[in-house]
Order: sequence, then C-alpha cells, then structure tokens
Amino acid sequence: QKEVEQDPGPLSVPEGAIVSLNCTYSNSAFQYFMWYRQYSRKGPELLMYTYSSGNKEDGRFTAQVDKSSKYISLFIRDSQPSDSATYLCAMSDDTGGFKTIFGAGTRLFVKA
Amino acid sequence: KAGVTQTPRYLIKTRGQQVTLSCSPISGHRSVSWYQQTPGQGLQFLFEYFSETQRNKGNFPGRFSGRQFSNSRSEMNVSTLELGDSALYLCASSLRGTVGNEQFFGPGTRLTVL
Repeated sequence: QKEVEQDPGPLSVPEGAIVSLNCTYSNSAFQYFMWYRQYSRKGPELLMYTYSSGNKEDGRFTAQVDKSSKYISLFIRDSQPSDSATYLCAMSDDTGGFKTIFGAGTRLFVKA
Repeated sequence: KAGVTQTPRYLIKTRGQQVTLSCSPISGHRSVSWYQQTPGQGLQFLFEYFSETQRNKGNFPGRFSGRQFSNSRSEMNVSTLELGDSALYLCASSLRGTVGNEQFFGPGTRLTVL
C-alpha cells in the first residue's frame, strides 16, 4: 500500500463547477500538507500549504486536512478552463531533512 | 529572479548506458531535491542535498546517485540504464530545505531509455 493514495482521474467538469480533489494517507507522522498544480510540460507549482489539521482558503481554492481520518481535500470554486491541469497532493513529516511524499496526481479537465 | 533550470530538457539513451542530469537551483537556495515522475508511480522522491551533503534518500537502487557542488548546483547520475528508468526527472530547490519552506520545481528532464 502506498503512503499516499490519490485517484488519478481523469475528472471532467463544466466551467463554473465546484471541484473536489482528495487524498488519503497512512503515515500519522505527516504534519505538512500541500497541493501542487502541474500543467503539461511544466514542473509542479505550489498552490496551497497547510500545517496540521484545519482549513485554509486562498481565493477560489480551499484546502482541508482531517488528521483523524488521514484525509485531505482541495476544493476549487467557480472552476475555469485555465484550472485544467494535474493536481498533486503532497505531505511531509518534521523529522528533519526534507522528504516529501506525493500522491499520483489527479488530471482535471474543465470544459468551457 | 531566475527559476530552477534543468539540462538537458530531453534525452534518449539505450539500455546499459549511463546518464548525468544537471540542476541549477534558484540563487540563494541551498537545498536541492530530485524526483522521478512516471504515469504509473507518480512523483517519487529520489534524494535531497543540502550544503553538498545528502540528507535524505528515497527507495531507489544504488544505480541512482547524486551530488551537490559548493554553488548549490546539483547533478544526478543513473548508471546501467534500464527501460523502466524512462521518466520525467524533476529537481526542486528550497531556501533552507526545512519543512515549511516552499519547493520550487524546474521543468524537468525527459529521459527515454530504448
């Protein structure tokens, strides 16, 4: 079993829809939770970053972390065609050094 | 400020050969991490260097190695290439390499092994 599980999709939604992307994980030591967006032929770029449990909002994006369930989510409101990309969840612990574990990524298509 | 650069962008090699990939981090960043990205496995952590020292290593065979120079530039080497090594190799730099520091990714090197 992988440490981080993420449905690869693809997920196709109409413009303006609310998108929900999710990941589950098994390592209870994870404390830092991130969402990256990766466009075709580009490297991932950081979208949202959350420490421990709770919610974080940034414009149309909301990240949620539920450590008791080992479950994290990213919500995109009023989705746009420009949101079409692969979204990767990522997490790390605080044992020192810098080792981030990524989910497989979910491909999202927003249709105009 | 220039981003993370990786060279070359594309490589084609044959089985058994070796390859060296290069990464130049953002100026001032001292941590460089390497990742392998494949459709089946996603993004997998290879190793992380900070001030020329390897601090973390993922679960890859010893054919995968790396180093970091005093100017923080990093190289990754794969020896005795196998077909399964075909992937996008990404490098990411971070200011201090501590958790909470944002990682900035380069565009990657696409390696094809024939």
